[in-house]
Amino acid sequence: DAKTTQPTSMDCAEGRAANLPCNHSTISGNEYVYWYRQIHSQGPQYIIHGLKNNETNEMASLIITEDRKSSTLILPHATLRDTAVYYCIVRSPPSGSARQLTFGSGTQLTVLP
Amino acid sequence: EAGVAQSPRYKIIEKRQSVAFWCNPISGHATLYWYQQILGQGPKLLIQFQNNGVVDDSQLPKDRFSAERLKGVDSTLKIQPAKLEDSAVYLCASSLLRGNYGYTFGSGTRLTVV
Repeated sequence: DAKTTQPTSMDCAEGRAANLPCNHSTISGNEYVYWYRQIHSQGPQYIIHGLKNNETNEMASLIITEDRKSSTLILPHATLRDTAVYYCIVRSPPSGSARQLTFGSGTQLTVLP
Repeated sequence: EAGVAQSPRYKIIEKRQSVAFWCNPISGHATLYWYQQILGQGPKLLIQFQNNGVVDDSQLPKDRFSAERLKGVDSTLKIQPAKLEDSAVYLCASSLLRGNYGYTFGSGTRLTVV
């Protein structure tokens, strides 16, 4: 699976949009981009995933560039409870057995009051 | 739906002692994973089960770690004997076998080896 590069940390003002970037320049055509977050003392939580089209759910939006070499996770109105480590993961689709998730170090997002 | 249950929540043991962690995945999830998360790092996969069979245990230190998944449901992870460097959070996750579904993680067991 392709490796990803994320900033170590970011700050965001409460109520503003948080835009978390991720580079995955070696991504293959069938690899998906997943985003998870981990709030302190909890297990990682699934946020969203996508292949090439932009995706939106109740938690966030995922914008994937046309060349698929990078993506941005957008939290439209960040709250203090969004303070967490955010992981961007690239993974091949399951084939026969579910594919593993390989976590990097992620981005520590701190939402400031 | 109920989440992934793990116990205990915290455990403190002395080095060279043994310890076991328990995980109950979401009902119907065929795949179960154990991850180790050392402070300040992302989770690292230790072992992956599909039903009650091992799919990948390449990163499991087999001289001291063992895991089983009886009847394809609950799972236990054991460390014997523990070392100081085993201090970490041990996370269990489960997922459906097919499709691009995300994992569901438990809250983990925080192990401190002194």
